[in-house]
Amino acid sequence: TQLLEQSPQFLSIQEGENLTVYCNSSSVFSSLQWYRQEPGEGPVLLVTVVTGGEVKKLKRLTFQFGDARKDSSLHITAAQPGDTGLYLCAGRPGGAQKLVFGQGTRLTINP
Amino acid sequence: NAGVTQTPKFRVLKTGQSMTLLCAQDMNHEYMYWYRQDPGMGLRLIHYSVGEGTTAKGEVPDGYNVSRLKKQNFLLGLESAAPSQTSVYFCASSLPTGVDTQYFGPGTRLTVL
Repeated sequence: TQLLEQSPQFLSIQEGENLTVYCNSSSVFSSLQWYRQEPGEGPVLLVTVVTGGEVKKLKRLTFQFGDARKDSSLHITAAQPGDTGLYLCAGRPGGAQKLVFGQGTRLTINP
Repeated sequence: NAGVTQTPKFRVLKTGQSMTLLCAQDMNHEYMYWYRQDPGMGLRLIHYSVGEGTTAKGEVPDGYNVSRLKKQNFLLGLESAAPSQTSVYFCASSLPTGVDTQYFGPGTRLTVL
């Protein structure tokens, strides 16, 4: 079983639509991170959230950390084809050094 | 700066063969990691190192060995490859801070026949 569950696992939408990806757990995390991975490359960090209830914005991307620090969401406004990729959430349960990754959400934005 | 580099990029092995994957980083990071990525399972930690000469097991260490003889290099070895080890392998490095950014290499695609 995955410590971090992402949903949906696959999402294909039209350019201009909005979407939300979820990352859920029954465990408390000291921080959660979101990475984006393009084909043939390694993941690249988008954001780190560390405080319960924290909201961070990165242009059209909005990241939120749940109040109880057990979940996070990624919302994309007016999606563009350049947003296509695999989005991974990752966290350190109980403050451990090792990162645990969700299974990923493969996002496709169609022109 | 090259960041994190991995060699080779692709490799095909027969069952029972051995090989070593090399990871190098030029960011003077203390921590280094080896992950494997399989469809629908995200990234799973194989082994990691918190400094030169030290290694530790991750989530899926069986069948793999590692060595960190130099701070900038982290080697992943497969002594007797099995088809279940067919995967994409990623190396990463980070600073030893409380909220670390992990910097990933481009990956090695390994197929075991």
